[in-house]
Amino acid sequence: QSALTQPRSVSGSPGQSVTISCTGTTGDVGAYNYVSWYQQYPGKAPKVMIYDVTKRPSGVPARFSGSKSGNTASLTISGLQAEDEADYYCCSLAGSSTWLFGGGTKLTVL
Amino acid sequence: EVQLLESGGELVQPGGSLRLSCAASGFTFSSYVMRWVRQAPGGGLQWVSTIGTGGDRYYADSVKGRFTISRDNSKNTLSLEMNSLRAEDTAIYYCVKALAYVFDIWGQGTMVTVSS
Repeated sequence: QSALTQPRSVSGSPGQSVTISCTGTTGDVGAYNYVSWYQQYPGKAPKVMIYDVTKRPSGVPARFSGSKSGNTASLTISGLQAEDEADYYCCSLAGSSTWLFGGGTKLTVL
Repeated sequence: EVQLLESGGELVQPGGSLRLSCAASGFTFSSYVMRWVRQAPGGGLQWVSTIGTGGDRYYADSVKGRFTISRDNSKNTLSLEMNSLRAEDTAIYYCVKALAYVFDIWGQGTMVTVSS
């Protein structure tokens, strides 16, 4: 049960777009359309931003979008805002009702 | 409003035991799958365990045989019994309400420290 692979950090200027990748295997990301993304501010609990690869929960800005190709899922944040600076984690079903998270990506808004 | 309030975290010696609890409110507890997720200091998130509405249980390999998840629907409470604790179990433990394949609502967490 190895963690999904995410870049440790990404950055962008306000108004720009950034994409965070999440690479797994044919046994997790590649096998299921149950990838979700979580935003976490320091000292706070995570919050779901994207689920089932592409769906946004009510209240999450449309600037956040998700996609998947093969064993890699991606989170794209368009029109970057200062408040988007946080840690982001991907998560995937990994079979037999088990779950894998990514190692997390720190997003810095320059 | 949906609320999850964890308790029970504390400093414990290696090899020791601890029981975490999560008090749920604002939703029909018995109708939802519940999970525990942990986060080591400065580290990432790790799924620990899941309990279904029918009591079916699932565990990460790293805790299998040492941790036991349970639920008391009459008291709207989720529990995690942790035995044979190791230093690598040191983490914030989050109680999470599931919604289909989503980690939907998270509690604020309770800190478990395993150290001599």
